Amino acid sequence: GDSVTQMEGPVTLSEEAFLTINCTYTATGYPSLFWYVQYPGEGLQLLLKATKADDKGSNKGFEATYRKETTSFHLEKGSVQVSDSAVYFCALLGGSEKLVFGKGTKLTVNP
Amino acid sequence: ETGVTQSPTHLIKTRGQQVTLRCSSQSGHNTVSWYQQALGQGPQFIFQYYREEENGRGNFPPRFSGLQFPNYSSELNVNALELDDSALYLCASSGPGLAYNEQFFGPGTRLTVL
Repeated sequence: GDSVTQMEGPVTLSEEAFLTINCTYTATGYPSLFWYVQYPGEGLQLLLKATKADDKGSNKGFEATYRKETTSFHLEKGSVQVSDSAVYFCALLGGSEKLVFGKGTKLTVNP
Repeated sequence: ETGVTQSPTHLIKTRGQQVTLRCSSQSGHNTVSWYQQALGQGPQFIFQYYREEENGRGNFPPRFSGLQFPNYSSELNVNALELDDSALYLCASSGPGLAYNEQFFGPGTRLTVL
């Protein structure tokens, strides 16, 4: 079945550092791909999405490109802020019309 | 515009008991999905309701059941609670229509089973 694998955390960075969180997926067909963010004590918020190969999703300085050849959707940000501290989830939506999530990566940004 | 709300925020039950969790969908949304998020894990899809009918189910046993009401709010019921049912239960609403739209998540209900 469909699955998502993302890099194990936690990730700890200093403010203004470069961020990469790796995400790879297994799916039949052509899934849509998503990054969600979960701040402490809150529900999930959609951060960005891409619906077809080579699409780039972007929001709040975060970017991810849908790479079909490597089945990847890595999340990047050029300069992280303390307010970016949260848990990040990679997810896909395949033919089953249900979201399949990775295990999440906890990011802590120190001032 | 009111977002997705869930109640209660926290709940403690003992093994074998039954629990009902509630979700109010965002205005204009007719689809509600429920997810279970165990500690340190990603959310797992339980089931989805579209216009009061179940529209897909994940790998959860029949003791997990649900309802959707005419106003599109929803309930998740879990019977014969087990220790492993301890988790954050997330509700998400989307719509209109069956085609995928962004799912808006509520803050969740933290269930602890002792």
